[in-house]
Amino acid sequence: SQKIEQNSEALNIQEGKTATLTCNYTNYSPAYLQWYRQDPGRGPVFLLLIRENEKEKRKERLKVTFDTTLKQSLFHITASQPADSATYLCALERGTYKYIFGTGTRLKVLA
Amino acid sequence: NAGVTQTPKFQVLKTGQSMTLQCAQDMNHNSMYWYRQDPGMGLRLIYYSASEGTTDKGEVPNGYNVSRLNKREFSLRLESAAPSQTSVYFCASRPSGGDQPQHFGDGTRLSIL
Repeated sequence: SQKIEQNSEALNIQEGKTATLTCNYTNYSPAYLQWYRQDPGRGPVFLLLIRENEKEKRKERLKVTFDTTLKQSLFHITASQPADSATYLCALERGTYKYIFGTGTRLKVLA
Repeated sequence: NAGVTQTPKFQVLKTGQSMTLQCAQDMNHNSMYWYRQDPGMGLRLIYYSASEGTTDKGEVPNGYNVSRLNKREFSLRLESAAPSQTSVYFCASRPSGGDQPQHFGDGTRLSIL
């Protein structure tokens, strides 16, 4: 069965540094992958989508890479700020209507 | 700009009681979803509705039923609640199109004693 792994340990970084979060998957070749942000007590909010034929996608301070050979996506936040502190989830499409979510990585940016 | 609205936000039930969680979206989306989120487990799909009039099982459907009442509303019913169903439940909707993102509500926190 398909499996997604995100680092379950919290990631603490200093303000201004680049945060890098990892999403690894097995037993599947998704056509695209999505990243979401979730704040405590709230639902996930969509951030970025990257397709299998795209190596990299950027949006403001966010960058996502997609390596279909390694079966891995990296999510980068440059010039991180305390407001970036949240849990970040990756999600793979699993057919037209279904998705598989990772467990998420909690990021804390220290001032 | 309500987006996806879930009611109630919190609920405590006793084992064996029944409960319906309500979800409504105002974005004219075709597809709607119910997930549960448990610590260390991530979001797991319970049921989804690809379009009005259709529903399909997800990864963890046992103990739940759903109704796609109309295009806006998708409800989740627990007929006989069990402690294992204590969780945070999220509803989401999505427009048609293969790579469209999902829009989530803020969840219902359900405790079953």
